[in-house]
This record gives sequence, C-alpha cells and structure tokens, in this order.
Amino acid sequence: NAGVTQTPKFQVLKTGQSMTLQCAQDMNHEYMSWYRQDPGMGLRLIHYSVGAGITDQGEVPNGYNVSRSTTEDFPLRLLSAAPSQTSVYFCASRPDRRMNTEAFFGQGTRLTVV
Amino acid sequence: DAKTTQPTSMDCAEGRAANLPCNHSTISGNEYVYWYRQIHSQGPQYIIHGLKNNETNEMASLIITEDRKSSTLILPHATLRDTAVYYCIVRAQGGSEKLVFGKGTKLTVNP
Repeated sequence: NAGVTQTPKFQVLKTGQSMTLQCAQDMNHEYMSWYRQDPGMGLRLIHYSVGAGITDQGEVPNGYNVSRSTTEDFPLRLLSAAPSQTSVYFCASRPDRRMNTEAFFGQGTRLTVV
Repeated sequence: DAKTTQPTSMDCAEGRAANLPCNHSTISGNEYVYWYRQIHSQGPQYIIHGLKNNETNEMASLIITEDRKSSTLILPHATLRDTAVYYCIVRAQGGSEKLVFGKGTKLTVNP
C-alpha cells in the first residue's frame, strides 16, 4: 500500500529554472494539497484540489502552479525558481470533505534553489 | 479555525506516559481537535482526533475537557521512537482545507 508518493526526494535548482514536483496517491482520495515547511515554521498551504479538474489557492500560492487532471496525481510546478522557494515540500491527501477524516502525507521533497 | 497554544518542548522518560497539553480556548461547537506528529523531517503523521468525547486508538488517547477549551494527548507508554514534534490542530468539518500546524511541541523521550 503505497499511500502518498512524492518524487523526487531531493532536488537542487538554479535560480530561474523550472521544475515539477510529483505527487501521486493510490487511495482514490478526492482531496489533495501541497504544503511547504521552512525551518522553525509550521507547514503552510500552497495549493489544494477538491477533485479532478478543480484547484484553489492556499496561503502562499505565488510562484507555484498546479493542475489536477486525474484523481491520482497532483503535480506542483515551479515556473521560475527563486532562492525563497528553498524549502521542504509535502503533498497530502484526504478521502472526502464530507467525512471527518485525517490527512495522509508524503515523505517530502527537499528543494534547494541556488 | 480556532487557534491553539502548545508548550514549545517537553521531556518524558521511556516507558512512562507522555501527556501533551493543548489550549484552544476559542474553539467553536463544530470544530474538531486533531493531533499529528512529525518525526525528524518526515511527513506529518495523523494520530487521533475528537469532538467532545474522549477518544482512544492504538497510538494514543485524547482527553478533551468538558468546556472543550483544552485537550491532552496521552501516549501511554512512550518509546524512543515517539520523539517528534506534536501538533494540535482545530478544524471544522467541511471547513477550510488549510491545516494550521503552528510550531507544535517537541517531545523528547529519554532512555
């Protein structure tokens, strides 16, 4: 049972480069979301999706794009990486908004922008 | 969603119960209390949640005061692997997708 899988685990980018962080879940969850975690801070929501074809902004969306073409996948795109985007990124999924259930998190992608 | 207040750090001896408090004095009637933990930069892990009644599962127990303004997470027999940052979160069912993690409590279980 894979749960929530994030790739890559580590990435170094140069300023201005673009890349996509991958997130996939095999639990048929409707809700998926992306968080970032910076040293000494809690997790902050970047973008989230309540189902295939539906996405919305979270607390810190600038510099990131998302799409949700399938239930399983929720990629996060950095269009032009900046040093301020150096962080650990976590993807999470939840079954259904109507159900009072917990979120399942991936193991994170550690991104460094130089 | 209501805000929560937790101690910055706590210590516990291995094999003893760890009692982690959380204050959520502005909680409203439809808001649940959730607990997650994060072990050394891994992804957060769900522990337990509750509304009014005390809850228990294979990982922990959650004690919520009658006025619901505070709660305590209890790890009955702490092990070294329970060393982690523990987050108390208040969230309304059907409310904002954002889980506000705050800074949590760093629990260190000592041998």
